[in-house]
Amino acid sequence: AQSVTQLGSHVSVSEGALVLLRCNYSSSVPPYLFWYVQYPNQGLQLLLKYTSAATLVKGINGFEAEFKKSETSFHLTKPSAHMSDAAEYFCAVSKDTGFQKLVFGTGTRLLVSP
Amino acid sequence: NAGVMQNPRHLVRRRGQEARLRCSPMKGHSHVYWYRQLPEEGLKFMVYLQKENIIDESGMPKERFSAEFPKEGPSILRIQQVVRGDSAAYFCASSPPPGLTEAFFGQGTRLTVV
Repeated sequence: AQSVTQLGSHVSVSEGALVLLRCNYSSSVPPYLFWYVQYPNQGLQLLLKYTSAATLVKGINGFEAEFKKSETSFHLTKPSAHMSDAAEYFCAVSKDTGFQKLVFGTGTRLLVSP
Repeated sequence: NAGVMQNPRHLVRRRGQEARLRCSPMKGHSHVYWYRQLPEEGLKFMVYLQKENIIDESGMPKERFSAEFPKEGPSILRIQQVVRGDSAAYFCASSPPPGLTEAFFGQGTRLTVV
């Protein structure tokens, strides 16, 4: 069975500071990993995805994530936070490409202060 | 190219009533997935459908819940005799035929049972 653990239900940063959102996965097969962002009262938007190509994945809005098999991690980072980054972030794992049944973490709410 | 469309956005039902949630996938997408997000939790997979077929309903509650994706028209998630515990955000996602990893999410329907 696959699972995802997101450490920290809330993360607070100052505008301009580094953003680091943690995600660890468990999977018995090579995983496909995703980060989604959810703005208030909105649906989920894909930020980036790992599909076994490059281990460092760049996404939209300046976010990137690095797949580390030895640490079973897929942490999301952004060098400089912007107020508009305040949202809920979800890490998810899937086991194959043909049938997408995502397993989501519980989410991390990012708070950005001026 | 319109995204995944869900309606209604907000739905209020009294206990014992029926709730019908609709999802129109993106153009060209033949796969639909329903997820439920309970308050303060991540999204949980419910059901995966292709046109006229239920592929995987392992996440659906055994009673009162059903889903369909007819040859014509939107996918429908139906909840009979709603209870307060059904209050949640229900998200639909769609994807192209197998071989691609990304699913696109709608904005969700927020069901409130009073």
